[in-house]
Amino acid sequence: DAGITQSPRHKVTETGTPVTLRCHQTENHRYMYWYRQDPGHGLRLIHYSYGVKDTDKGEVSDGYSVSRSKTEDFLLTLESATSSQTSVYFCAISESRTANQPQHFGDGTRLSIL
Amino acid sequence: DQQVKQNSPSLSVQEGRISILNCDYTNSMFDYFLWYKKYPAEGPTFLISISSIKDKNEDGRFTVFLNKSAKHLSLHIVPSQPGDSAVYFCAARGGSQGNLIFGKGTKLSVKP
Repeated sequence: DAGITQSPRHKVTETGTPVTLRCHQTENHRYMYWYRQDPGHGLRLIHYSYGVKDTDKGEVSDGYSVSRSKTEDFLLTLESATSSQTSVYFCAISESRTANQPQHFGDGTRLSIL
Repeated sequence: DQQVKQNSPSLSVQEGRISILNCDYTNSMFDYFLWYKKYPAEGPTFLISISSIKDKNEDGRFTVFLNKSAKHLSLHIVPSQPGDSAVYFCAARGGSQGNLIFGKGTKLSVKP
């Protein structure tokens, strides 16, 4: 299994509070991704990183920011959480962008915003 | 506007029989297609992929077929086992950044 750790695994918080999710990898992979999974939507890309301090937006980036100050850590921040951001969040890593180096996923963070 | 579609939310198959999961796409520029399997409370796990220049790729019990003219791919699992019960996601790689676009998933139940 790829060495990916997401923390926390579960979180309940209130609307309007800031939330930060952490993804930590031990594989030294260049690329890291944040997805959200919602019923009826599959997996949707929020943000991704192609190196330290190099990030870009995905399909559903509004309301989210990311940071990558070290190769091994990719943080996802909800500056002011809303109920629509209740979801399961997955981090993924890949060594390269080629499909024979597929993305490997962490076990997810279940986030509930009340 | 869904670029990758899995039109069957669920599929039930008897153990030992073939499972066929289908996926349709709209963008002819996708260059790779991947299948992931997901168990509850776990992250998706890569299963098998196929390049757009191929029409078949096989790995043990799993075979993926690609029909480019129909913009359709399918995953065949033979023989199906109860441990194959999971949600299967089809994904396509495309765009200038090569990001993956996922379908909504199909929940496969393999009954003993």
